[in-house]
Amino acid sequence: GAVVSQHPSWVICKSGTSVKIECRSLDFQATTMFWYRQFPKQSLMLMATSNEGSKATYEQGVEKDKFLINHASLTLSTLTVTSAHPEDSSFYICSARLDREVQPQHFGDGTRLSIL
Amino acid sequence: QKEVEQDPGPLSVPEGAIVSLNCTYSNSAFQYFMWYRQYSRKGPELLMYTYSSGNKEDGRFTAQVDKSSKYISLFIRDSQPSDSATYLCAMTPPGQKVTFGTGTKLQVIP
Repeated sequence: GAVVSQHPSWVICKSGTSVKIECRSLDFQATTMFWYRQFPKQSLMLMATSNEGSKATYEQGVEKDKFLINHASLTLSTLTVTSAHPEDSSFYICSARLDREVQPQHFGDGTRLSIL
Repeated sequence: QKEVEQDPGPLSVPEGAIVSLNCTYSNSAFQYFMWYRQYSRKGPELLMYTYSSGNKEDGRFTAQVDKSSKYISLFIRDSQPSDSATYLCAMTPPGQKVTFGTGTKLQVIP
């Protein structure tokens, strides 16, 4: 099946630090990747949709300057949380979709971000 | 009213039981339906994907879609302790973003 790798799985850092999270589709080309945030015992909250070679589309209320997304190739998208603060602590999950829009998303294993 | 309603549980069943997980939805434009399983501190794993009314079976899992009633179900036969997880339903119109349910937490007791 389709495999999506996300790295790192857990990061702890000081307030003010910028953190980069990588999302790779290992065995398929992902024209579209998605970034989600998940709070404890809650469902997934879409942050942005990332299309290869173009600017990401952010959901309402998500600061694009705070959460920088780059999708430079068909197999890699990155999310950079800039100048992270404790309120940014959360579980971030990426997903990737095969190049046909009717295909389902496949998720990475998530990144637990803790800002001290 | 939420577009997708899913009972959060928790649902506790004995090992070997048949589990029924359900979601209802209000948007008739939803055409594609998915079930994901999410273990604690992991990303969701795709279990079933369907786009037509009726049943789709894969091993111990059966997905059922009733578009006329706007109701989908996931059945798990011979449930195992390893099935203990949160199950998310998800659905989408063609070419639009996916709407997820809030998830049902399932515990299968040995």
